[in-house]
Amino acid sequence: ELKVEQNPLFLSMQEGKNYTIYCNYSTTSDRLYWYRQDPGKSLESLFVLLSNGAVKQEGRLMASLDTKARLSTLHITAAVHDLSATYFCAVDPNNAGNMLTFGGGTRLMVKP
Amino acid sequence: GEEVAQTPKHLVRGEGQKAKLYCAPIKGHSYVFWYQQVLKNEFKFLISFQNENVFDETGMPKERFSAKCLPNSPCSLEIQATKLEDSAVYFCASSQSLVYGYTFGSGTRLTVV
Repeated sequence: ELKVEQNPLFLSMQEGKNYTIYCNYSTTSDRLYWYRQDPGKSLESLFVLLSNGAVKQEGRLMASLDTKARLSTLHITAAVHDLSATYFCAVDPNNAGNMLTFGGGTRLMVKP
Repeated sequence: GEEVAQTPKHLVRGEGQKAKLYCAPIKGHSYVFWYQQVLKNEFKFLISFQNENVFDETGMPKERFSAKCLPNSPCSLEIQATKLEDSAVYFCASSQSLVYGYTFGSGTRLTVV
């Protein structure tokens, strides 16, 4: 059974600081997705990573995928308060698109 | 439309009652997925469809849960004889092609009392 582990589970950081969220998974997969969820809201797609070495950037967020290490990172540069949310990674365990297995989420709070 | 439309937004049912949730995927998206989010963060996969065919149902508690995606109708997720532990937010997602990822609806919050 695929396990997807995120750490940290909770992150409190000051505005302007940098930090990285880690997503480890336990089986071979080339497809990994990052989502953002605001309280009481739906999931917003951030990044789709489909191959080893994939790196994508949008604003202050950058995601990467190392399929050999079974690791994805979400790097936050110069955090701002608007980035406060819960971030989820999700892995396609079969590379078949039939389902996603989610990590437990990282709750990010950015303090002014 | 360009959003995945889920109805109702909130649903309250007494234990043992039936609950039925609906999802209209984005037009042109042939894949539909249902997820259950409990305890605020934990997502559990329930079932996926490719058009009206079941793609993967390994997450479905088959004894009380059922789902359909019929042509020209919203997809539905039905829970017979609800239990307290069914209380959760149920998200539907659709996808045109898996390389583009998934678009999630805003969810239905089911409360079983």
